[in-house]
Amino acid sequence: EAEVAQSPRYKITEKSQAVAFWCDPISGHATLYWYRQILGQGPELLVQFQDESVVDDSQLPKDRFSAERLKGVDSTLKIQPAELGDSAMYLCASSSPLMRNEQFFGPGTRLTVL
Amino acid sequence: KQEVTQIPAALSVPEGENLVLNCSFTDSAIYNLQWFRQDPGKGLTSLLLIQSSQREQTSGRLNASLDKSSGRSTLYIAASQPGDSATYLCAAENGGATNKLIFGTGTLLAVQP
Repeated sequence: EAEVAQSPRYKITEKSQAVAFWCDPISGHATLYWYRQILGQGPELLVQFQDESVVDDSQLPKDRFSAERLKGVDSTLKIQPAELGDSAMYLCASSSPLMRNEQFFGPGTRLTVL
Repeated sequence: KQEVTQIPAALSVPEGENLVLNCSFTDSAIYNLQWFRQDPGKGLTSLLLIQSSQREQTSGRLNASLDKSSGRSTLYIAASQPGDSATYLCAAENGGATNKLIFGTGTLLAVQP
């Protein structure tokens, strides 16, 4: 069964360091999303890609966060420098209009900033 | 601005009981409503998606309904099992240029054996 892949699953870093997360969407899904989920809350969208183009990055803290999807397939989310408040679960999802835009999520990357 | 609320925040039931989880949203102009399950420390598993033109969807012991006029959706779980214990999240998609989901804070379900 097709799945969204993410790595690493866990990341511990010190504040001011750089971190990067990787996501490989379900094959054929043109739309890719990065969400952030703080413990006890629902996920919130950081950035949405349609192929290689950014559709929505209105909630992405652009002073420290960046995201790219250069070839329109896999994607990388980077934080530099990391801050204590960035500790959260980072979730990647993908969707296709051929499947009613149903969003399928990966296992997430749990980030802890010390 | 779409806001999604889930009540109750936590629910504990004995095994075998039928139960209903509630989700309300403020903007009735939704495109899709999606229910997810999340196990501790894990990603989200899609359970059911209801399009705006539909009133309900069923999958096994799960049934989700949508009432746009009242801004409500419910997830019905029949004959609950301990393996159903998880957090259940609902999310609304308003369509347009972005397909982003607006999530509620979830209902933590515990099914006691």
